[in-house]
Amino acid sequence: EPEVTQTPSHQVTQMGQEVILRCVPISNHLYFYWYRQILGQKVEFLVSFYNNEISEKSEIFDDQFSVERPDGSNFTLKIRSTKLEDSAMYFCASGRARNTGELFFGEGSRLTVL
Amino acid sequence: AQTVTQSQPEMSVQEAETVTLSCTYDTSESNYYLFWYKQPPSRQMILVIRQEAYKQQNATENRFSVNFQKAAKSFSLKISDSQLGDTAMYFCAFMADMEYGNKLVFGAGTILRVKS
Repeated sequence: EPEVTQTPSHQVTQMGQEVILRCVPISNHLYFYWYRQILGQKVEFLVSFYNNEISEKSEIFDDQFSVERPDGSNFTLKIRSTKLEDSAMYFCASGRARNTGELFFGEGSRLTVL
Repeated sequence: AQTVTQSQPEMSVQEAETVTLSCTYDTSESNYYLFWYKQPPSRQMILVIRQEAYKQQNATENRFSVNFQKAAKSFSLKISDSQLGDTAMYFCAFMADMEYGNKLVFGAGTILRVKS
């Protein structure tokens, strides 16, 4: 069964360093998302991506964040200069169509900023 | 803005018993979807059940069913014949039906523990 895959599963980085989290969405999906979950808190929307551009982003998704779909398969989240408060589990998700409403999630990438 | 509220941080149920998880939401949208997602420990979220707001009939998936009360903006999940594998965090989520992709708005989650 197709699934969303994410790498790395866990990354530890120093504050101020750049981090790239990678996702391979399900191949025939058109809508892509990043969410994050700080330990003990709710899952929060970061950004949605459709037709090679950002369709919506939250207040969390500031200038330090960017997303790309460089080669038609990978979907990356870059944090340019990590802060301690960026420590969280980051989930990638993809959806096949607008009106199915269902998203498929990856297992997440745990980011620890020291 | 949409909000989703899950008022039960934790619930426990005996194996084979029935449990109901509560969820309320707030929105001004007329077309939307509601979901329950399950997140087992250290695993990805998977969809348990989905409800389209325009459907009056409550969704059912095997042992999982919902009680959708649109006027009250309530969307509870009932798990019948609970199994040990049902132990997980359960998230209620809302998605408005918009043109350029839809974001999920999650509740805070309910930890469900099924005891043998």
